Amino acid sequence: DGGITQSPKYLFRKEGQNVTLSCEQNLNHDAMYWYRQDPGQGLRLIYYSQIVNDFQKGDIAEGYSVSREKKESFPLTVTSAQKNPTAFYLCASSIFPPRDYGYTFGSGTRLTVV
Amino acid sequence: AQSVTQLGSHVSVSEGALVLLRCNYSSSVPPYLFWYVQYPNQGLQLLLKYTSAATLVKGINDFEAEFKKSETSFHLTKPSAHMSDAAEYFCAVGGSNYKLTFGKGTLLTVNP
Repeated sequence: DGGITQSPKYLFRKEGQNVTLSCEQNLNHDAMYWYRQDPGQGLRLIYYSQIVNDFQKGDIAEGYSVSREKKESFPLTVTSAQKNPTAFYLCASSIFPPRDYGYTFGSGTRLTVV
Repeated sequence: AQSVTQLGSHVSVSEGALVLLRCNYSSSVPPYLFWYVQYPNQGLQLLLKYTSAATLVKGINDFEAEFKKSETSFHLTKPSAHMSDAAEYFCAVGGSNYKLTFGKGTLLTVNP
């Protein structure tokens, strides 16, 4: 079955460390997205990518980095520059443009700073 | 530019009662509208979508939503709440060519 897989489901980071969250899809979608979710704040866009080897900053990109070397994969690195990284991170993919069919979401990664 | 406002961050209903979750949107282009549901520690699942066809849209699990252009609204309803409907619900608008814009969500509690 086609879908989008995020790993790990839970991740713990020490202060000063970089961590990478994985996102893989086998839906043949062109576009992929990373969102951050905090209680009461909805979903905030971190980065998005419309095609391989191209990506754009979203609304809260500071302290994050991404790559898009393959159509199927869009990993997110949370760097030490991100001062408040504890959150639930959601990856999504879509046919482009997304307005026609919406997003397919992964099951999320919960990141906690310890 | 586009935005979504969900009225009520928390809605509580009794089992068997009507569910009404409110969503108002703002869009400079004809909107495409979505409702998603999220269960704890999971991703979002699509409930239904409006893409300029019928104004009354039926989704999964007996949910439906009505697009009202004059009121810029896309409220979600279900005639009879089940305990399994307890979750967080997000309204989203797509009109720009690269992303959906989400509301802040409404947490639905269903009381026995």
